[in-house]
Amino acid sequence: AQSVTQLDSQVPVFEEAPVELRCNYSSSVSVYLFWYVQYPNQGLQLLLKYLSGSTLVKGINGFEAEFNKSQTSFHLRKPSVHISDTAEYFCAVSLNSGYSTLTFGKGTMLLVSP
Amino acid sequence: SQTIHQWPATLVQPVGSPLSLECTVEGTSNPNLYWYRQAAGRGLQLLFYSVGIGQISSEVPQNLSASRPQDRQFILSSKKLLLSDSGFYLCAWSVRGQRNTIYFGEGSWLTVV
Repeated sequence: AQSVTQLDSQVPVFEEAPVELRCNYSSSVSVYLFWYVQYPNQGLQLLLKYLSGSTLVKGINGFEAEFNKSQTSFHLRKPSVHISDTAEYFCAVSLNSGYSTLTFGKGTMLLVSP
Repeated sequence: SQTIHQWPATLVQPVGSPLSLECTVEGTSNPNLYWYRQAAGRGLQLLFYSVGIGQISSEVPQNLSASRPQDRQFILSSKKLLLSDSGFYLCAWSVRGQRNTIYFGEGSWLTVV
């Protein structure tokens, strides 16, 4: 079975600074990888996904992530964060066989302060 | 475009009372449907998924159940709620036959008192 580890439960950062949210996964077969964002009291919104092809994936709101197969990682980055990026971020993995059910990490809370 | 709605948005229920959360998807046919639960500090846990009407698979044994009476309707139920059932419940869907992206509803807050 697959699993996802988000190493940081909380990441504080100042506005306009760069940020990286870390995600590592384990799976014995090929996977699809996702990042979702959850604003307070809302559902999850898809930020970006890696299915195949280029390992650098660009998403909404200026975020990007890079798939590194050798390190089994899919870290999320943004070169300059805004106050409005304060939210919880979830990394998720699904197997690329069968129907799609996602396995989620426990989330990383990004706290952007002025 | 496709949309997903779930209700009620917020619910406060006493221990031992029944539960019914409803979810509907519009703008697509034959979707895969899912119920997830989000408890504080524990990420998201898949509770049930469905690939068709009347077809329900349970991921976690508990006092909750799910039903899919229509193609785009997914219902989460309980006959008797426990305190531990409190949490944020999320309905989600994905395109049948596509082994990727899941889209989420707005979520329902359940507090069992």
